[in-house]
Amino acid sequence: DTEVTQTPKHLVMGMTNKKSLKCEQHMGHRAMYWYKQKAKKPPELMFVYSYEKLSINESVPSRFSPECPNSSLLNLHLHALQPEDSALYLCASSQLRVPGELFFGEGSRLTVL
Amino acid sequence: EDQVTQSPEALRLQEGESSSLNCSYTVSGLRGLFWYRQDPGKGPEFLFTLYSAGEEKEKERLKATLTKKESFLHITAPKPEDSATYLCAVQAEGTNKYIFGTGTRLKVLA
Repeated sequence: DTEVTQTPKHLVMGMTNKKSLKCEQHMGHRAMYWYKQKAKKPPELMFVYSYEKLSINESVPSRFSPECPNSSLLNLHLHALQPEDSALYLCASSQLRVPGELFFGEGSRLTVL
Repeated sequence: EDQVTQSPEALRLQEGESSSLNCSYTVSGLRGLFWYRQDPGKGPEFLFTLYSAGEEKEKERLKATLTKKESFLHITAPKPEDSATYLCAVQAEGTNKYIFGTGTRLKVLA
């Protein structure tokens, strides 16, 4: 069983909606990640938080807005998405050590109509 | 540029037919190489970490090995439940980024 919990598992939204994806981990990891994955493609990095501060933003459009309220929680706020944003959104966490394995949640399947 | 290439893209095996998956990498200083298993519609499940050439790790029917240029995931006597996509990722020195390969889709037939 994964120790990274993502909600919701499935989300359908219109292009004008505002919604959020949530992620929680209780492994004491100080790095948390958002990845986007399309069918038959590898996970694509979106954002990295280290010690609750945004450390990497892979030039993601502003309609995706990450937030890290504390060391256990990570949110991804969604607004004015496009149908091509439909994908599996994966949250992951890792320790900040060498090397640090990524532990993934089960993902949130997003469909934008 | 840091890069990870996996081959083959897809592999079909009969139950019990052993084989190997390849992960070739180019990275400016390797922090670690990771293998993951991913079932359809699920998040990747961590399998192994390797971080120095010559290292080997085993788990049930899986064995991962590492050289300075590539890693192999050997599957011995696979079963249908081993069917999944196997992803390889590397972490380069001085970064918190993980570079993923495109994966090998494995299908084991009963």
